[in-house]
Amino acid sequence: DTGVSQDPRHKITKRGQNVTFRCDPISEHNRLYWYRQTLGQGPEFLTYFQNEAQLEKSRLLSDRFSAERPKGSFSTLEIQRTEQGDSAMYLCASSLGQGDGNTIYFGEGSWLTVV
Amino acid sequence: SQQGEEDPQALSIQEGENATMNCSYKTSINNLQWYRQNSGRGLVHLILIRSNEREKHSGRLRVTLDTSKKSSSLLITASRAADTASYFCATITGANNLFFGTGTRLTVIP
Repeated sequence: DTGVSQDPRHKITKRGQNVTFRCDPISEHNRLYWYRQTLGQGPEFLTYFQNEAQLEKSRLLSDRFSAERPKGSFSTLEIQRTEQGDSAMYLCASSLGQGDGNTIYFGEGSWLTVV
Repeated sequence: SQQGEEDPQALSIQEGENATMNCSYKTSINNLQWYRQNSGRGLVHLILIRSNEREKHSGRLRVTLDTSKKSSSLLITASRAADTASYFCATITGANNLFFGTGTRLTVIP
């Protein structure tokens, strides 16, 4: 148990619907990351927060994707008008970001299936 | 795009044998981390090695880093069936984001 909590763990949705995932990082971790992973591939970076500021977004993060971390604690990742290609596991991670704090800890992921 | 590449893509060994996985990356790094992922689960952090370190140990794990060759290796000694998983290397660059390879799928046969 790494301490990064994600909810829901599994979501099945119809194409065109919106979905939202929540991530609670390890307490006091100021950095929070979202990754996406498809079967047989390594995780791919989506976006990254330092406290409440979203500092970087991947080109993978289309206009249908939005992430927030309003109070610098938990974060949400919303996907609007879902497409079948969005089916993947969405991983959240957090880190302290200093020295050994560069160790990045992952949650168990949220599986999305778009039918 | 993914920064690292693991080799081999799949590895099958008998319990008790050692397993060696290699990772190559493309750009300069701050550190390199190895993770394990059981099927359908999240990633578990195994070990972090800084760019100025050459070798690091943690229990049955030994990691080496050769920045001149842009490569790292993970050795698991005395493997167990419970070590069956996918193993990923991930590099951190100046942007402080992790970039993963495609992983090595390790199967340890009891």
